[in-house]
Amino acid sequence: QSALTQPASVSGSPGQSITISCTGTSSDVGGYNYVSWFQQHPGKAPKLMIYDVTTRPSGVSDRFSGSKSGNTASLTISGLQAEDEGDYYCGSYSSTTTLVVFGGGTKLTVL
Amino acid sequence: EVQLVESGGGLVKPGGSLRLSCAASGFTFSVYSMSWVRQAPGKGLEWVSSITPSSTYIYYADSVRGRFTISRDNAEKSLYLHMNSLRAEDTAVYFCARDTRDYQLEGAFEFWGQGALVTVSS
Repeated sequence: QSALTQPASVSGSPGQSITISCTGTSSDVGGYNYVSWFQQHPGKAPKLMIYDVTTRPSGVSDRFSGSKSGNTASLTISGLQAEDEGDYYCGSYSSTTTLVVFGGGTKLTVL
Repeated sequence: EVQLVESGGGLVKPGGSLRLSCAASGFTFSVYSMSWVRQAPGKGLEWVSSITPSSTYIYYADSVRGRFTISRDNAEKSLYLHMNSLRAEDTAVYFCARDTRDYQLEGAFEFWGQGALVTVSS
């Protein structure tokens, strides 16, 4: 059982927007602005899409945005494209003995 | 260009040991915290261990504490994971990863290796 809770799957049509939620506790998501989002394609290493809740690394499309309210963080992808299909994981710094916690992952399907 | 290249994976029997290595290049290795993250077949990401730039602070997941040891050699620009008393549930692809900012350790893993498969089976 993962420390952070994400929906197992989401889907959307090209051009639409989708949002993936990530719920934790005050010891991780709610307590720090250290939430990250990763995209992973089959057989590949994860790719950092968002860090510090809202910051995009260089080279990441501005169609990806992050936000947080209380113990829940969200990743929004606007203008869905076929290449966005894959697995998405949230991660957070944690003040517990588990320094970094991840969500169970969300499979995004572009219809 | 930042590169992280893992090596040392393979098949090992339950109770056995293995050492993973991660060779870093393209950045000043000695100022970045480094971490190991694993992914069991068909499963999600699991943080395993992290080490700060001068090895001052070391952290482990509860699932590996007492069995795994993380270390680094800044002169060789290398990260290591010594794994003892391996169990079937340790079977996974092991990635080394680097945080996006120097001296930070927050889990913003911007750079990843290609992964090393560790299979624990008799």
